[in-house]
Amino acid sequence: QTVVTQEPSFSVSPGGTVTLTCGLSSGSVSATYYPTWYQQTPGQAPRTLIYSTNTRSSGVPDRFSGSILGNKAALTITGAQADDESDYYCALYMGSGIWVFGGGTKLTVL
Amino acid sequence: QVQLVESGGGVVQPGRSLRLSCAASGFTFSNFGMHWVRQAPGKGLEWVALIYYDGSKKYYTDSVKGRFTISRDNSKNTLYLQMNSLRAEDTALYYCARLVGWSIVDWGQGTLVTVSS
Repeated sequence: QTVVTQEPSFSVSPGGTVTLTCGLSSGSVSATYYPTWYQQTPGQAPRTLIYSTNTRSSGVPDRFSGSILGNKAALTITGAQADDESDYYCALYMGSGIWVFGGGTKLTVL
Repeated sequence: QVQLVESGGGVVQPGRSLRLSCAASGFTFSNFGMHWVRQAPGKGLEWVALIYYDGSKKYYTDSVKGRFTISRDNSKNTLYLQMNSLRAEDTALYYCARLVGWSIVDWGQGTLVTVSS
């Protein structure tokens, strides 16, 4: 069974730039997986940041961007702010009506 | 504005059944596929099921196949998840979500299901 991989944790300094990645245990991520990125803070529903690789969801600031870097999907946050401290999940469409979420990355801003 | 409101969660004994509902508004419900996604306490997100916009196709994660059934009533703008033979590992917050293109984009606030004797 294919596993979607994410860094378990990451830290960034306020004002800094961080890139989180979303890969596959076997194979490469491409746009055909329609990678989507979510932000979730404790007690809240997920918030969609980026969908279809690089389309920002409504109301999401442009310091969040999505791309394919090498064989992974990537979420880049530029000018990190304190309230970016959250869990970040990616999801990939595996085809045949199946989606898989990554295990999430806990981002610390300090 | 897209609004998704889940209901029907609660405490249920192992082996029993529960039906979740999701009332949709703010968009043409019959034009969009819909998902159920769950999150066990302190854990990550897990995709559960998808139903096409017209109900013609349904897909499930392996762990719920044969036990859960996703359905919809487009005349009532409502999505359902019938959960049978519930297990402790089904304990989670269940979200309904809207499919946009091939991405899960809009989310409800979730309804909590606790399976415990």
